[in-house]
Amino acid sequence: EAQVTQNPRYLITVTGKKLTVTCSQNMNHEYMSWYRQDPGLGLRQIYYSMNVEVTDKGDVPEGYKVSRKEKRNFPLILESPSPNQTSLYFCASSFGQGARAFFGQGTRLTVV
Amino acid sequence: AQKVTQAQTEISVVEKEDVTLDCVYETRDTTYYLFWYKQPPSGELVFLIRRNSFDEQNEISGRYSWNFQKSTSSFNFTITASQVVDSAVYFCALSEVSGSARQLTFGSGTQLTVLP
Repeated sequence: EAQVTQNPRYLITVTGKKLTVTCSQNMNHEYMSWYRQDPGLGLRQIYYSMNVEVTDKGDVPEGYKVSRKEKRNFPLILESPSPNQTSLYFCASSFGQGARAFFGQGTRLTVV
Repeated sequence: AQKVTQAQTEISVVEKEDVTLDCVYETRDTTYYLFWYKQPPSGELVFLIRRNSFDEQNEISGRYSWNFQKSTSSFNFTITASQVVDSAVYFCALSEVSGSARQLTFGSGTQLTVLP
């Protein structure tokens, strides 16, 4: 089954404690992205990747890191989380620009 | 820069009513794609439709229909005979083809509540 898998689904952490949210896709997609969803703001892109070892900033990259060492995986790293990073996060993948994006189930992160 | 506006923050209708969700977009590209996604209370994003900028034909899928008008930069979504299960947040999104590969730009979403 074609899917994008994120883990964990829910996470509560404390300010400053490094965390990683994993994302994996099984569709051999080249494009992958991370979005955060906040009330009244829709989904905003954090980072995107066009292929292995190729990443770039989206609209709201501050406080986040990503890496793309393998085509299927695109982890999101928060090295020092802060409360303003409390949000619902989605990973997405697609064949390319303009193609339908497949989304993971979402990760609800709370930073206290 | 690309932008998507969903001016309706919340809409409430009674079951069996028709409802239209508005979407207005801005782009400098001549080639682009428009999407609608549904987010039910469970939180996942459900793909509904993808439309390219060269295809202005309206589309109907069951109770759902989409009206794409380039002249007004709009891509509106109508649900006919709404049902309680249609209650969700609906997002309109835009993807440009040229320029940076930034994938999707989303509107802020419209919360639709269908009352029994």
